Amino acid sequence: NAGVTQTPKFQVLKTGQSMTLQCAQDMNHNSMYWYRQDPGMGLRLIYYSASEGTTDKGEVPNGYNVSRLNKREFSLRLESAAPSQTSVYFCASSRTGVGVGNTEAFFGQGTRLTVV
Amino acid sequence: QKEVEQNSGPLSVPEGAIASLNCTYSDRGSQSFFWYRQYSGKSPELIMFIYSNGDKEDGRFTAQLNKASQYVSLLIRDSQPSDSATYLCAVKGNNRLAFGKGNQVVVIP
Repeated sequence: NAGVTQTPKFQVLKTGQSMTLQCAQDMNHNSMYWYRQDPGMGLRLIYYSASEGTTDKGEVPNGYNVSRLNKREFSLRLESAAPSQTSVYFCASSRTGVGVGNTEAFFGQGTRLTVV
Repeated sequence: QKEVEQNSGPLSVPEGAIASLNCTYSDRGSQSFFWYRQYSGKSPELIMFIYSNGDKEDGRFTAQLNKASQYVSLLIRDSQPSDSATYLCAVKGNNRLAFGKGNQVVVIP
């Protein structure tokens, strides 16, 4: 099983360029998430999607857009990259539900993005 | 106030000792609570989950949940050098999964 697959693993962008980070999961999960991780800041939620066709803002959505293309795929787009968006980005997925078992999130390998 | 707070700085513990990590959360409606471990340069991986008040033990790890105090903790008994990592507390409510900033644990041989 591949689990959660993110592409690319590394990317360098110039300020103002755009790019899309791709994420796909093969676990039939309804919920998918995008996080960024900066030193000393933990994982900060950018956007999440509770089910196909729905997306919601997280803690730090400014400068990003997302698309839940289908149940498997959840992409993150930077329309005009800024140096402040230099970070490690993680995609994750989970079963829907709270207070029940087997709803933990599984993570992709991460994308290390540098904006110069 | 952040959704999930982990305020302790890096924690150094001797090998074989107990490491104690704490986490508080702001959304009283949260129902699922998780502890993840993250090694440097790697993705987070699940250690424990807990949904009910009280203690839950899994091997050398014990998670404690107190919903009235909005408090989650993790104890690592008989700490090993391989436990050296960053530990992330996560809280789930309404399908939104929020993380704390993490605590670095260093186990000294």
